[in-house]
Amino acid sequence: QQQVKQSPQSLIVQKGGIPIINCAYENTAFDYFPWYQQFPGKGPALLIAIRPDVSEKKEGRFTISFNKSAKQFSLHIMDSQPGDSATYFCAARGHQGAQKLVFGQGTRLTINP
Amino acid sequence: DTAVSQTPKYLVTQMGNDKSIKCEQNLGHDTMYWYKQDSKKFLKIMFSYNNKELIINETVPNRFSPKSPDKAHLNLHINSLELGDSAVYFCASSQVSSYNEQFFGPGTRLTVL
Repeated sequence: QQQVKQSPQSLIVQKGGIPIINCAYENTAFDYFPWYQQFPGKGPALLIAIRPDVSEKKEGRFTISFNKSAKQFSLHIMDSQPGDSATYFCAARGHQGAQKLVFGQGTRLTINP
Repeated sequence: DTAVSQTPKYLVTQMGNDKSIKCEQNLGHDTMYWYKQDSKKFLKIMFSYNNKELIINETVPNRFSPKSPDKAHLNLHINSLELGDSAVYFCASSQVSSYNEQFFGPGTRLTVL
């Protein structure tokens, strides 16, 4: 119940395309869903996050869509660029004092020029 | 002006040795974490400290012992290193609030020979 399942494992898209990464969870106590971006040799960095009381959030070219009833959320990258090539992680946080994040398995995204 | 720093960046050692990884954050956060990222890029939390108090202790072998001398530092000591301990270890910090962003350090790549 503490798992977050992420797909696909890897994704290759042409420049300008719209990669979509999907995540699913079981635990209805999760109350915060961030996405992290990780470049090779670097630590993960927060990209965008959403709370379950909204269905969509946009920040620049990045959009999270959230479906509470289906317990699924996804990341869309508009007008993707080669510089977006990285590993993307979805995560979920339980509404507990420990502030514990459970991460998905990661998606290695490659944007071809 | 580094937010979360770790030393060393690389650590190569023999099986059976004892080693430490240090972490410091200058963000004024009250919570710090250790994560392990395996060869498949999977990120898993190991420990979390809030105001120097251990609040998350996942199923981690007793050979791993975190120590937090103050709110800005969280060190990880590993005894009797094993081949399976080879991974990238990330320190992170956050300020406990309704929706805390976790800031990650650059990681320490540990290789056990």
